[in-house]
Amino acid sequence: GEDVEQSLFLSVREGDSSVINCTYTDSSSTYLYWYKQEPGAGLQLLTYIFSNMDMKQDQRLTVLLNKKDKHLSLRIADTQTGDSAIYFCAEKGSNAGKSTFGDGTTLTVKP
Amino acid sequence: DTGVSQDPRHKITKRGQNVTFRCDPISEHNRLYWYRQTLGQGPEFLTYFQNEAQLEKSRLLSDRFSAERPKGSFSTLEIQRTEQGDSAMYLCASSQGVGGHNEQFFGPGTRLTVL
Repeated sequence: GEDVEQSLFLSVREGDSSVINCTYTDSSSTYLYWYKQEPGAGLQLLTYIFSNMDMKQDQRLTVLLNKKDKHLSLRIADTQTGDSAIYFCAEKGSNAGKSTFGDGTTLTVKP
Repeated sequence: DTGVSQDPRHKITKRGQNVTFRCDPISEHNRLYWYRQTLGQGPEFLTYFQNEAQLEKSRLLSDRFSAERPKGSFSTLEIQRTEQGDSAMYLCASSQGVGGHNEQFFGPGTRLTVL
C-alpha cells in the first residue's frame, strides 16, 4: 500500500532556509502536497506539485520532486518564527479520493 | 477559516458510549472526506463521499463506525461502543470535482477523548 515517510524534527535559525524532506512509495502518485498545521488550527494546504513537474516555486516556497527516487522536498527561504509548525507531506493518485499523509515534520524556528 | 465546519469541537465520553460528529462542507463541494489523526501522526483516511454515495472506506473503519451523507450536503460520523483507542482528532475535508487535483479544504476537527 501507499506509505509516506518524513523526518520528525527540524530546527533552524530565523532567516535561514529550511528544507523538509519526504519519501513516498506509490509510483502511481500523481499529486504531491505540502500542508501546514499550527497548534489548535486545521490543516492548511501550502502548495502542491503535479508528478510531471520537477520543481515549483511559490514566493518563499520551493518544491522539488525527484520522481525516480520518489523524493519530495519543501524549501522555505528566509524562515520566520511564524513558520514554526508541523509540515505534512501527502500524495494522491490521479483518480483517487483519499490522500495519504506522512507523520509530519515539526519545524522550530529560533530567533 | 476554510469554510468547513465541524461540531462539536471537543467531545469527552465514557468507554462504551456512542458518539456522533457532524461536518458541514463548503456548500458547492461534491466530495466529503473523513480522516482520523492521533497525536504525533498524520491524518489517516477513513472514508469519503461523492454527493451522497460513500465511495471508499478504509480498513480502519471498523463495524463500530458508520458515516452518512444523506442529502449530499452535511455528513455525520457515528462511533458506537467507543473504546479508549478511538481517542483522536476526527477531521473532515471537502473538495469540488471528480479526479484531478481537487484541493481538499479541512475543517478544524473534533477532538474525541474516551475515558
